[in-house]
Amino acid sequence: NAGVTQTPKFQVLKTGQSMTLQCAQDMNHEYMSWYRQDPGMGLRLIHYSVGAGITDQGEVPNGYNVSRSTTEDFPLRLLSAAPSQTSVYFCASRRDWSPNSPLHFGNGTRLTVT
Amino acid sequence: KNEVEQSPQNLTAQEGEFITINCSYSVGISALHWLQQHPGGGIVSLFMLSSGKKKHGRLIATINIQEKHSSLHITASHPRDSAVYICAVRHLSSNTGKLIFGQGTTLQVKP
Repeated sequence: NAGVTQTPKFQVLKTGQSMTLQCAQDMNHEYMSWYRQDPGMGLRLIHYSVGAGITDQGEVPNGYNVSRSTTEDFPLRLLSAAPSQTSVYFCASRRDWSPNSPLHFGNGTRLTVT
Repeated sequence: KNEVEQSPQNLTAQEGEFITINCSYSVGISALHWLQQHPGGGIVSLFMLSSGKKKHGRLIATINIQEKHSSLHITASHPRDSAVYICAVRHLSSNTGKLIFGQGTTLQVKP
């Protein structure tokens, strides 16, 4: 199993550009989520999904869209990039949302918006 | 005040020392996670606890639900243990698995 695969690893955008961060998992996990990590702050939840066709907002959803058309894929779209979206983004998955289900993280995407 | 607080924020140790990282939380929880983030950035799940104690190699995690406190211990520390250690809790009332994260403890182990 590859686990959770995130692409790209690095990206530089200009303000106003759009892009999609890709996330795929091959463990048949129901629960997938996107986090951003900023200096001095803990990981913050952007959006999450509890199964194909179901998504919901986390703590910091503004400026981001997600979709979950398949169990495997959970892309994160930046609609119009802003410097405040400069961050490291992590995709994570879990078998389900039960308390005994451990998290599996992708390797992260470092995004810079100029 | 953050719902999940870790201490210390930064920790420097000599190789071989016994290390303790603390996590306190202010909400009722159904589970607590300890994660490790290496300098390269990848995050790995170390432990998931809802009670008692777990051990994996040189790592031990304990939780006291009544005191709302968890500790991560590293015995015989090694430079490869240098990483950021993150505590995260699942709120008792959460039915969607959402987690609240601490800010992390940066550990450096010197040879």
